[in-house]
Amino acid sequence: GQNIDQPTEMTATEGAIVQINCTYQTSGFNGLFWYQQHAGEAPTFLSYNVLDGLEEKGRFSSFLSRSKGYSYLLLKELQMKDSASYLCAVKDSNYQLIWGAGTKLIIKP
Amino acid sequence: TAGITQAPTSQILAAGRSMTLRCTQDMRHNAMYWYRQDLGLGLRLIHYSNTAGTTGKGEVPDGYSVSRANTDDFPLTLASAVPSQTSVYFCASSPSSGEGDEQFFGPGTRLTVL
Repeated sequence: GQNIDQPTEMTATEGAIVQINCTYQTSGFNGLFWYQQHAGEAPTFLSYNVLDGLEEKGRFSSFLSRSKGYSYLLLKELQMKDSASYLCAVKDSNYQLIWGAGTKLIIKP
Repeated sequence: TAGITQAPTSQILAAGRSMTLRCTQDMRHNAMYWYRQDLGLGLRLIHYSNTAGTTGKGEVPDGYSVSRANTDDFPLTLASAVPSQTSVYFCASSPSSGEGDEQFFGPGTRLTVL
């Protein structure tokens, strides 16, 4: 079966750095996406990786290792507004997104 | 720009009743999707449409139907609602179903079936 695993919840301190991991087992791979979802709101796109390596976008970076079925989202200089759930999703061989359950990130002052 | 809109925002529905959740996008995206989101679970795909006039079944299609008569609209119908269909429903669209195309989400419909 297809599976996306990520931690349920993480806590970090304002101004610090946090890494959210995602491992996946899917039928085929056509890219990995990270989305942010604030409570009660819709998911919004953060990043996309299809090749191995690091993609940097401001305070957020995303890494992919296809051979290990592994990705992480790195958030730097954490701000209170970064408190949200972070969703990892993989596009499978049918070009459909398979979603993880999300990691709830709690930022403390 | 409105982007993608959904209606209603929330609804309480008696079991056995039918209901249509509306979704409209103004981005001229070819692909559209319906997901449900339940606590502790990832988004699950109900139905999708890669282009106007075509639809496909996702992971959890039972009890739901869709149509795609034009590019902009993608309604989701529950023919006879059951309590297990209580969920938050998100409509999404993307330029195509291709590799790198991100999906844009509507604000969601919170549905309670009693």
